[in-house]
Amino acid sequence: GEDVEQSLFLSVREGDSSVINCTYTDSSSTYLYWYKQEPGAGLQLLTYIFSNMDMKQDQRLTVLLNKKDKHLSLRIADTQTGDSAIYFCADKVRDDKIIFGKGTRLHILP
Amino acid sequence: NAGVTQTPKFRVLKTGQSMTLLCAQDMNHEYMYWYRQDPGMGLRLIHYSVGEGTTAKGEVPDGYNVSRLKKQNFLLGLESAAPSQTSVYFCASSTSSGEQYFGPGTRLTVT
Repeated sequence: GEDVEQSLFLSVREGDSSVINCTYTDSSSTYLYWYKQEPGAGLQLLTYIFSNMDMKQDQRLTVLLNKKDKHLSLRIADTQTGDSAIYFCADKVRDDKIIFGKGTRLHILP
Repeated sequence: NAGVTQTPKFRVLKTGQSMTLLCAQDMNHEYMYWYRQDPGMGLRLIHYSVGEGTTAKGEVPDGYNVSRLKKQNFLLGLESAAPSQTSVYFCASSTSSGEQYFGPGTRLTVT
């Protein structure tokens, strides 16, 4: 069935780059998304990529999509303490269905 | 432009009580969703709506009902609350390309 998988934790030193990875199973994905959730808050859309793109860059964020391997990654350059959060990958498999991963908790080391 | 709002923010219910969670959006989105978030489970879709007057079941619909009488509002009802429904509930609305905008959540405890 349709699934989205992410590793649960990532620790990165402040100032380094963070790379959060995601794999998905559905072949009919049209859009893939990255959301950020800070403690006690709802999910906030960070960025998204259309399935016919390989890369999208937005300031410190770079999204890479390998459609052949069904692999999506989010790179955060110059990671700051404010980037500490849970990051969710999501896959739009059809108009009324978006599947979320379980989230990757990013911890920033001083 | 408030985006997506949810009321209430917190609620404690006794087993068997009922309640309604209200979600409102001011972005004229057709699609609206109710999710629950539990530790280690990620987000699970309860019900969703693709337009005014329509509703559909998601992944975990049992014990919940919904209504979408007006385009901007999506209501989630619990008819007889159970401790297993203790969770954080999120509402979202989305554009046609699927970008979802989430409310701040309702933290529900059922004792």
